[in-house]
Amino acid sequence: AQSVTQLDSQVPVFEEAPVELRCNYSSSVSVYLFWYVQYPNQGLQLLLKYLSGSTLVKGINGFEAEFNKSQTSFHLRKPSVHISDTAEYFCAVSFTGGGNKLTFGTGTQLKVEL
Amino acid sequence: DTAVSQTPKYLVTQMGNDKSIKCEQNLGHDTMYWYKQDSKKFLKIMFSYNNKELIINETVPNRFSPKSPDKAHLNLHINSLELGDSAVYFCASSQGQPYGYTFGSGTRLTVV
Repeated sequence: AQSVTQLDSQVPVFEEAPVELRCNYSSSVSVYLFWYVQYPNQGLQLLLKYLSGSTLVKGINGFEAEFNKSQTSFHLRKPSVHISDTAEYFCAVSFTGGGNKLTFGTGTQLKVEL
Repeated sequence: DTAVSQTPKYLVTQMGNDKSIKCEQNLGHDTMYWYKQDSKKFLKIMFSYNNKELIINETVPNRFSPKSPDKAHLNLHINSLELGDSAVYFCASSQGQPYGYTFGSGTRLTVV
């Protein structure tokens, strides 16, 4: 079965500290991977995506993610977070042959504290 | 110039009523979607249209009926609203796989 898992429902972190949000997927076919951010009472905004090529992907707002095929992971990282990064982060997967349907993880609430 | 716009942003209505949510995109994308986000923030696809043709229809009560008059518009009509329909409904559009989606800002539906 094809699925995507975000193990951490909440991640508290102090401002200027590094953070990693974890995402794992399960699939028997090739995948395309995405991270979206949702600020309170807003829609989802694309942070970054992995389609092919270099496994390290850089996105907006200083975020980056690394695709690891052997571990079927696509973890999101930021070396130094800011209060304004407080939001819900969603990992999403599109499975080849799946008609461009995006399957979302359950989300991780990143809370940045002073 | 909003890429994917939804109206209304908020909708409060009584059980049993019928309501519609409208979505328009000016990106020239062929594919549009409706997603439902529940109170726990879980996002689940409901429908997808490609150039006015229904291509994804997940397990959704038939009280929900999407309509796409042209490829730039995808509306969602809900009959006989129930308390459990309360959620945020997101419209999105895409150029197709492997590209991601562009989302609208959502419609918060509250059924009382």
